[in-house]
Amino acid sequence: DTAVSQTPKYLVTQMGNDKSIKCEQNLGHDTMYWYKQDSKKFLKIMFSYNNKELIINETVPNRFSPKSPDKAHLNLHINSLELGDSAVYFCASSQDQYEQYFGPGTRLTVT
Amino acid sequence: AQTVTQSQPEMSVQEAETVTLSCTYDTSESNYYLFWYKQPPSRQMILVIRQEAYKQQNATENRFSVNFQKAAKSFSLKISDSQLGDTAMYFCAFMKYDQFYFGTGTSLTVIP
Repeated sequence: DTAVSQTPKYLVTQMGNDKSIKCEQNLGHDTMYWYKQDSKKFLKIMFSYNNKELIINETVPNRFSPKSPDKAHLNLHINSLELGDSAVYFCASSQDQYEQYFGPGTRLTVT
Repeated sequence: AQTVTQSQPEMSVQEAETVTLSCTYDTSESNYYLFWYKQPPSRQMILVIRQEAYKQQNATENRFSVNFQKAAKSFSLKISDSQLGDTAMYFCAFMKYDQFYFGTGTSLTVIP
């Protein structure tokens, strides 16, 4: 069984569109995260949710909004996509202070 | 703020040899966790090894081991008997209170 899953794995869209990336974890973890990995492979945390409450927002533009319908899901919605949003987005989850389990990533390409 | 520095953007090693990837971090905390993650070309992030700062003993996982120097704030990863499948990006990470901080990564290539 996949621990952390993301859909879609690839997303190609045009500037100005609105898109969502879904994330689900079946580990029962309390905390979920979204990361952005740029073309230089640098990982930057965007959000984390703990028991459906946002606890981190690292200066991410407000065009990005995390939505958590329940503890097992943390979706990422992006409005008015820009060229600079092209990257790989990773979802992850963790429990207490143990390791983070990462999803397979979603490669977003904005044209 | 916590920072994590990986000073080696790229490294290479001959198959079956040993290689060490360096990582330093900056924190005023005394209890925290350190990790090494591997990202192969498949893009999947995979945990390699974890170290609790309150433990003096260096963590080991098969061919992977760390040299944890708390006073020096250093956390290097040693890969013994390197294999072709070890070719990947390696990220050092610091964690405290559910907040993770990643280094910029080291691209390791294992040469046949």
